[in-house]
Amino acid sequence: EAQVTQNPRYLITVTGKKLTVTCSQNMNHEYMSWYRQDPGLGLRQIYYSMNVEVTDKGDVPEGYKVSRKEKRNFPLILESPSPNQTSLYFCASSFLVGDTQYFGPGTRLTVL
Amino acid sequence: EDKVVQSPLSLVVHEGDTVTLNCSYEVTNFRSLLWYKQEKKAPTFLFMLTSSGIEKKSGRLSSILDKKELFSILNITATQTGDSAVYLCATNAGGTSYGKLTFGQGTILTVHP
Repeated sequence: EAQVTQNPRYLITVTGKKLTVTCSQNMNHEYMSWYRQDPGLGLRQIYYSMNVEVTDKGDVPEGYKVSRKEKRNFPLILESPSPNQTSLYFCASSFLVGDTQYFGPGTRLTVL
Repeated sequence: EDKVVQSPLSLVVHEGDTVTLNCSYEVTNFRSLLWYKQEKKAPTFLFMLTSSGIEKKSGRLSSILDKKELFSILNITATQTGDSAVYLCATNAGGTSYGKLTFGQGTILTVHP
């Protein structure tokens, strides 16, 4: 089954404790992207990747890192999480930019 | 800075009504505009628009883009309760920002029986 998976689905952590949210797709898509969703603000793009080893900043990259060492995986790293990073995070992928994007189920992160 | 604004922010209608959702944008190197539907989970893709004046249709949903006036509309005819969702509009930039997607705040549509 074609899908985008994210782990964990829910995470409660404390300020400053490094964490990684994994994202994996099984569709051989070239384009992958991370978003955060906050009430009243819609989706905001954090980082995106056009292909392996190619990543670029979206609108809200501060406090986040990503890597794309393999085509299928695009982890989101929070080196020192802060409470303002409490949000719902979505990973998405598509074959090309602008194609139908497949979204993962979301990760709800709470930073205390 | 690229900007996408949706209106209205919230809309409540009854089944059978027709609704029009608006999306205006200011984007450097505009490439395409996308519409998504989000129910209680992840967004699902509806349409991608790249050319002015060409209507895209899928069942009761249709959408059109005006690149001169920088907006798009999403129409839903004969609404059903299953159309209740958040509708998101996004633009895709080209040039050095190719791959960057900017979303609007979304329109919350509620359809009552």
